[in-house]
Amino acid sequence: GNSVTQMEGPVTLSEEAFLTINCTYTATGYPSLFWYVQYPGEGLQLLLKATKADDKGSNKGFEATYRKETTSFHLEKGSVQVSDSAVYFCALSDQRGSQGNLIFGKGTKLSVKP
Amino acid sequence: DAGVIQSPRHEVTEMGQEVTLRCKPISGHDYLFWYRQTMMRGLELLIYFNNNVPIDDSGMPEDRFSAKMPNASFSTLKIQPSEPRDSAVYFCASSPEAAPETQYFGPGTRLLVL
Repeated sequence: GNSVTQMEGPVTLSEEAFLTINCTYTATGYPSLFWYVQYPGEGLQLLLKATKADDKGSNKGFEATYRKETTSFHLEKGSVQVSDSAVYFCALSDQRGSQGNLIFGKGTKLSVKP
Repeated sequence: DAGVIQSPRHEVTEMGQEVTLRCKPISGHDYLFWYRQTMMRGLELLIYFNNNVPIDDSGMPEDRFSAKMPNASFSTLKIQPSEPRDSAVYFCASSPEAAPETQYFGPGTRLLVL
């Protein structure tokens, strides 16, 4: 079945460091791909998405490119801030007839130190 | 506009008691999702509705769990009887018909069953 695999955390970085969080997926068909972020004590928020191969999603300095050849959707940011500390979830749309159904990875916790 | 509203935010109960979690989706959204989040299993989809109709309840763990959506602005998730292994954070999310995968999450209900 469809699945998402994320790098395990936690990831600890200093402010202004470069961030990469790896995400790979297994899916039939052509799913859309998403990154959601969960700040402490809150629900998840959509960070960015890409709907087809080679699309790049971007928001708040974060980017991810839909790579069909490597089945990956890695999240990157050039210079992280303390306020980016959160848990990041990679997800894909499950297109087995259940529209709107998302399959989430287990999440990667990011801590940014000043 | 108000986001997704969940109540209560925290619930502590004893094993065997009935628990009812409530959700008010964003006005105009046609999809409503119930998720459960635990450290061990991550984020799991329990059930989702489209236009108040349950579409996929394959994630509901067992008959002790039930969900209803009597109208477009209200949904409940009920656990009866509750067990300690039900302890988790329960999230409600909603999304519009035009983009069902762009889900807006509520702040969650943290449930502890003693």
